[in-house]
Amino acid sequence: SQKIEQNSEALNIQEGKTATLTCNYTNYSPAYLQWYRQDPGRGPVFLLLIRENEKEKRKERLKVTFDTTLKQSLFHITASQPADSATYLCALDISPGGGADGLTFGKGTHLIIQP
Amino acid sequence: NAGVTQTPKFQVLKTGQSMTLQCAQDMNHEYMSWYRQDPGMGLRLIHYSVGAGITDQGEVPNGYNVSRSTTEDFPLRLLSAAPSQTSVYFCASSASRASLSANTFGSGTRLTVV
Repeated sequence: SQKIEQNSEALNIQEGKTATLTCNYTNYSPAYLQWYRQDPGRGPVFLLLIRENEKEKRKERLKVTFDTTLKQSLFHITASQPADSATYLCALDISPGGGADGLTFGKGTHLIIQP
Repeated sequence: NAGVTQTPKFQVLKTGQSMTLQCAQDMNHEYMSWYRQDPGMGLRLIHYSVGAGITDQGEVPNGYNVSRSTTEDFPLRLLSAAPSQTSVYFCASSASRASLSANTFGSGTRLTVV
């Protein structure tokens, strides 16, 4: 089965700086990779989806990269704000090749943006 | 507001009791799924459905049943609650396969089994 590794410790970033979060996976390379944001007591909220043939994808202050050689995705938040403080989850297809539907998630990285 | 609605938000059960967690979406999504989230672990897939009348098991299906009689609703049944089922449960829906499109999650049901 797929194993996803995200920074287990909290990441503290000063406001205005760029926050970079890492998602590493083992075993098979997914065709798609997703990032979600989760606030305490709330469900995950979809942020970005990137395909294996897309090296980079952007949405406003967010940028995601996908390196299938390194088996890694990087998630960047530029000009970070305290409101960006949350847990960020990386998610992959639970079954490659079109088998079972659903996602497998990393444990998430808790990001704290300090004023 | 369009989205995924889960009820109840909180529930305490005694060991051996049964209950149904409700999930409804109003986005006409074909794909729906249930996850559980435990401290220190990622969300884990319990069951999923690719359309009305079609359901299948996910990663951790034991102790849970699902059905999908309509596109909108995807209830999760706990047959005989156990303390190991204490968790936060999330329902999600997507317009196509979960890996291919954005998944919309409900706000969750926090379940405690004593």
